[in-house]
Amino acid sequence: EDKVVQSPLSLVVHEGDTVTLNCSYEVTNFRSLLWYKQEKKAPTFLFMLTSSGIEKKSGRLSSILDKKELFSILNITATQTGDSAVYLCAGSGAQKLVFGQGTRLTINP
Amino acid sequence: DTAVSQTPKYLVTQMGNDKSIKCEQNLGHDTMYWYKQDSKKFLKIMFSYNNKELIINETVPNRFSPKSPDKAHLNLHINSLELGDSAVYFCASSQVVGPGNTIYFGEGSWLTVV
Repeated sequence: EDKVVQSPLSLVVHEGDTVTLNCSYEVTNFRSLLWYKQEKKAPTFLFMLTSSGIEKKSGRLSSILDKKELFSILNITATQTGDSAVYLCAGSGAQKLVFGQGTRLTINP
Repeated sequence: DTAVSQTPKYLVTQMGNDKSIKCEQNLGHDTMYWYKQDSKKFLKIMFSYNNKELIINETVPNRFSPKSPDKAHLNLHINSLELGDSAVYFCASSQVVGPGNTIYFGEGSWLTVV
């Protein structure tokens, strides 16, 4: 059965800290790994990773995929209170996304 | 201008009732989905349609019946609602081309069964 596991489930840090969120996956006919940020409503797309070892960056956020170890990380540097959200990782198979349970990140001022 | 829109946003109803949630996407995508997010924020796929045809039907009770009148619409009908059906239901769409599926979500429909 397809499975995506994220860790930690919950993380509380101070503004300015750097955080690393983890995602491991077992997805049949794997095509790509996606990261989403969910605040109060719909998940919003952050990154899609298809190749191993190539870092994707967007401002203070970056992500990388390891297809050999079936693993991805999402880094956020110099965190701000606006980064507080649930971060969802999803493995894309042939026809669907399989989501992890999410990491709830709280940034305290 | 909303890409994926679903209605209603909030729904409170009694056990045993039948209710529907509607979804429309204006992105020209071929594939639409219904996801359920429980109280622990776990997003789980329920159904997927490609060009009006059902392609994924996860282990969902028969009380849930999706209907896709055209590829821009995917509605979800729920019969005999139960307390455990309380959740946020997200409609989503994607264009199944290229190396992966980037899914775009609607804003969710908060269903509370009392």
